[in-house]
Amino acid sequence: QVQLVQSGAEVKKPGASVKVSCKASGYTFTSYYMHWVRQAPGQGLEWMGIINPSGGSTSYAQKFQGRVTMTRDTSTSTVYMELSSLRSEDTAVYYCARAMGDYWGQGTLVTVSS
Amino acid sequence: DVVMTQSPLSLPVTLGQPASISCRSSQSLVHSDGNTYLNWFQQRPGQSPRRLIYKVSNRDSGVPDRFSGSGSGTDFTLKISRVEAEDVGVYYCMQGTPGGMYTFGQGTKLEIK
Repeated sequence: QVQLVQSGAEVKKPGASVKVSCKASGYTFTSYYMHWVRQAPGQGLEWMGIINPSGGSTSYAQKFQGRVTMTRDTSTSTVYMELSSLRSEDTAVYYCARAMGDYWGQGTLVTVSS
Repeated sequence: DVVMTQSPLSLPVTLGQPASISCRSSQSLVHSDGNTYLNWFQQRPGQSPRRLIYKVSNRDSGVPDRFSGSGSGTDFTLKISRVEAEDVGVYYCMQGTPGGMYTFGQGTKLEIK
């Protein structure tokens, strides 16, 4: 069965970077794009960007351009999302989601606090 | 960027009664390949989102048939024929094309009256 398992919660200081992982299993990793979506406390879903695990090409929401980097490791069927220059407003649950959202990870809480 | 606008943002519904959520896009969602990439998601409290409907009107596996999606161009609707207690949560529409940019609506919170 398809599973997306994300890395654990993180606490970071303002200005630092965070790297969240999403390990896929149960399907051919390179056959489906992977999205990253975040949700601030009590807020809605916000699309951050997408990566093609086959070739590694990416597309980022304008809001995150220059601060986000999405990569993948085909040997471990894992995608990564790194967000830099963290500020308090980046405190959120970060999700990976396959393709057009048919499967989602469990979410990773990133807390940015001094 | 395509802006997705949902209404209402809050939807109190009596158990067993129907519910309807509207989603409007700032431009047509008909893609050059002929498809319209408009999905609906449900997020129950404390859970990850779950996709209910893809490409306007296709129900995902395991989704009860009381959920239906319709619409075209810029206007889309999610309908629940008879609301059950397990339907409480927030519903989001999302537009996007494979490999391109995506956007979500603001979300509609469904609660039981």
